[in-house]
Amino acid sequence: SQKIEQNSEALNIQEGKTATLTCNYTNYSPAYLQWYRQDPGRGPVFLLLIRENEKEKRKERLKVTFDTTLKQSLFHITASQPADSATYLCALDHNYGQNFVFGPGTRLSVLP
Amino acid sequence: GAGVSQSPSNKVTEKGKDVELRCDPISGHTALYWYRQSLGQGLEFLIYFQGNSAPDKSGLPSDRFSAERTGGSVSTLTIQRTQQEDSAVYLCASSLEDRGWGTEAFFGQGTRLTVV
Repeated sequence: SQKIEQNSEALNIQEGKTATLTCNYTNYSPAYLQWYRQDPGRGPVFLLLIRENEKEKRKERLKVTFDTTLKQSLFHITASQPADSATYLCALDHNYGQNFVFGPGTRLSVLP
Repeated sequence: GAGVSQSPSNKVTEKGKDVELRCDPISGHTALYWYRQSLGQGLEFLIYFQGNSAPDKSGLPSDRFSAERTGGSVSTLTIQRTQQEDSAVYLCASSLEDRGWGTEAFFGQGTRLTVV
């Protein structure tokens, strides 16, 4: 069956450290994968998109990798700040981009 | 406004009543999605509209759920004979046409539906 898993429901790290979140998928063949941030009571906000032919993508303190062999994406936040505390969702395209399927999310807490 | 707009922001309804949720996508976005998010859960895909193509309704949980998109713009999600398990936040998103290169989705703030 098709499945998307994110490494842990919750992750606590110390301010200034690098947060690494994992997204694993089974029985999908996405052309691209996206990461979103969701704050309580709000809709998800797009962060980064990485295509199947790209190994790595960066944006400021964010870095995403995409390994289609391992069927895994890693999302890194360097020099983390308390303001980075939120739930992070991975999403991959399904049915050749016809819709997005989301993982369950990881709730990140950056402790001062 | 420039973003995706959903109304109402909150809706409390009695079990058995019908409800309509509205989504105004970003102007020019041809793709529109509805998702449902229960408390503490991930996003559950409901339905997808792309231009004039037939919608992908594969995520609708039962025949009590339906959606339409008029004129390629505004969309309405209708839930008939609401049940308590329908209580959730209903999120709408829109995006530019996806040509296989990938496109980001812009989400509204959601409608929090509570069935009592």
